[in-house]
Amino acid sequence: EPEVTQTPSHQVTQMGQEVILRCVPISNHLYFYWYRQILGQKVEFLVSFYNNEISEKSEIFDDQFSVERPDGSNFTLKIRSTKLEDSAMYFCASSYRGETQYFGPGTRLLVL
Amino acid sequence: AQSVTQPDIHITVSEGASLELRCNYSYGATPYLFWYVQSPGQGLQLLLKYFSGDTLVQGIKGFEAEFKRSQSSFNLRKPSVHWSDAAEYFCAVVLSGGYQKVTFGTGTKLQVIP
Repeated sequence: EPEVTQTPSHQVTQMGQEVILRCVPISNHLYFYWYRQILGQKVEFLVSFYNNEISEKSEIFDDQFSVERPDGSNFTLKIRSTKLEDSAMYFCASSYRGETQYFGPGTRLLVL
Repeated sequence: AQSVTQPDIHITVSEGASLELRCNYSYGATPYLFWYVQSPGQGLQLLLKYFSGDTLVQGIKGFEAEFKRSQSSFNLRKPSVHWSDAAEYFCAVVLSGGYQKVTFGTGTKLQVIP
C-alpha cells in the first residue's frame, strides 16, 4: 500500500540554523500539507499546497517557513532560522482529491 | 467558533473490554469526519472516515464510529480492546468540499491494562 515517507526521522539543530524537512507524498496525490505537533499538544496545520502554490497557511507559517515541490516526487518544508519553539514533530500529508489526508511518520525536530 | 472536542484526555480500559471514545464538533455544516491513531513514536494512521450516507462506518483494526447529527458527535467504538490498541486517538474534521486543512481534536490517550 502506498505511503507518505519523510526524512530524516530525527533532526537536531542549533538555534538560528536552517533546516529542510523532506517528504515524498503518495505518487498520484495532488494536495500536499505540513502539520506540526509540539510535545504534549495537538496537531496543528501549517500549510497546504496545490498546483505548485500555497493554497492556505496558518498564522504559524510566517516568513521563516517556506515550502517547495522541487521535482515530481518531493515536497519540502524549510525553516530559515530555527528558534527553540520550532522544536516539534513535523508531519507531511498528501491527498488525491483533498478530502482524505494520509500522513507520514513525521520528523522530530529538536532545536538547541 | 469552529472546534473539535474530545472531552476525555485519558482513558484506561481492561483488555477485552469495550471502548468508546467521544468526539463532538462545532461547525456550521456537517464536515467530513475522521479518526486517526498515533502509536508511541509513530505517525498518524487513518482509522476511518465519514463523508455521508450510512451513519455507522467501519474502519481498520476492528474499530467503528457512529455519526449522530443531532448531537454533533462522531464517537469511536471497539467491542473488545487489545493491548496493541494502546495509543493516542485523534478525532479530526475537514470542511465539506475537501482540499482544506484537517482540524484535530486534542486527543484521547488510551491505556490498556491486562
